[in-house]
Amino acid sequence: DAGITQSPRYKITETGRQVTLMCHQTWSHSYMFWYRQDLGHGLRLIYYSAAADITDKGEVPDGYVVSRSKTENFPLTLESATRSQTSVYFCAIRSGDAYEQYFGPGTRLTVT
Amino acid sequence: DQQVKQNSPSLSVQEGRISILNCDYTNSMFDYFLWYKKYPAEGPTFLISISSIKDKNEDGRFTVFLNKSAKHLSLHIVPSQPGDSAVYFCAASALNTGNQFYFGTGTSLTVIP
Repeated sequence: DAGITQSPRYKITETGRQVTLMCHQTWSHSYMFWYRQDLGHGLRLIYYSAAADITDKGEVPDGYVVSRSKTENFPLTLESATRSQTSVYFCAIRSGDAYEQYFGPGTRLTVT
Repeated sequence: DQQVKQNSPSLSVQEGRISILNCDYTNSMFDYFLWYKKYPAEGPTFLISISSIKDKNEDGRFTVFLNKSAKHLSLHIVPSQPGDSAVYFCAASALNTGNQFYFGTGTSLTVIP
């Protein structure tokens, strides 16, 4: 959806490197989420944010850091990338008065 | 431990026929359910939702049925069209415990023209 952008779309990095995935929305929805999609696991929640400066852990937060200083941006940082973090990462948003989440196009990350 | 399960990794259906995608969950606290469709190299797109106070919700060709006693929901697509070929994910949440939705592993639907 054009209201949610993710960058980069593809990234190859080496083990131990820090990498940041960006998520930007144009709708000012209060909630933002980061998921990873892996074969055999579906989508799993990494972190989410209910508003600027409010973040909380999801199902698989280890090895990831998030911040949300502005409503429209929700970057996800892998502080020291590991091969197990090779995945497709999706950002999602939702408004405060509905439960449906709307997803960005995804970032395919490969850690070598 | 997978709280939401889609036990059929794939499904093939003839165009015009009904597609039935199934989803089972283990947590009796789940009270809101979503279905998403995903094309390759794109993010999931929201299809339809259902609250546990209902047992059916319909939107055009898509109907979701919820059987709370069996902890089972299903998505019916009638009639199926080739453009429906995609991976379908179900997701569930216990809304009063937070904002986390748990997703199934997906079912790949192929609609044969």
